[in-house]
Amino acid sequence: NAGVMQNPRHLVRRRGQEARLRCSPMKGHSHVYWYRQLPEEGLKFMVYLQKENIIDESGMPKERFSAEFPKEGPSILRIQQVVRGDSAAYFCASSNPGQGGEQYFGPGTRLTVT
Amino acid sequence: GIQVEQSPPDLILQEGANSTLRCNFSDSVNNLQWFHQNPWGQLINLFYIPSGTKQNGRLSATTVATERYSLLYISSSQTTDSGVYFCAVLYSSNTGKLIFGQGTTLQVKP
Repeated sequence: NAGVMQNPRHLVRRRGQEARLRCSPMKGHSHVYWYRQLPEEGLKFMVYLQKENIIDESGMPKERFSAEFPKEGPSILRIQQVVRGDSAAYFCASSNPGQGGEQYFGPGTRLTVT
Repeated sequence: GIQVEQSPPDLILQEGANSTLRCNFSDSVNNLQWFHQNPWGQLINLFYIPSGTKQNGRLSATTVATERYSLLYISSSQTTDSGVYFCAVLYSSNTGKLIFGQGTTLQVKP
């Protein structure tokens, strides 16, 4: 069984550029979550999506960040005009409520802003 | 909001030793998960354990929901057990938001 897939695994962007992070959930999972891990910190929830719907975006910064999970294709976390403080590991997780909501995590994308 | 506290923050063990990691949470939860973040940064699911006791090889976990804590036991530790152990709780199934503790950093020495 393929797990949660994320790409790219490493991404380097200069200040002001855009970063696009992709996540394909586990087969059969319809719920996707994004988390951010700043250096030497725990993981912080960002957003919870179902197909074509944002369920909870209470952890998303108000500006420059957006997320989508279209009917077809992977979920995308988009960061516009990146700043050095955006440097972090971004993890995607997926779940299927039928399995009790257990979340399975991808390998993460490590974003470095220079 | 709900608080999740893990202890100890750091732990150094000799290979073969046993250890207990603790996770306290400040409110009732719908779900509790334990993860191991290995030195390469990958998050490995260990247990999904909103209540009761589970065992998987040398690892076991117990959650006492009424007293708002969970314990992770590691027996006969190995160097490959090194990394950070996170406890995470789901406060409301409507939001899907896992709240993570700050983690316990474990170093197992050969």
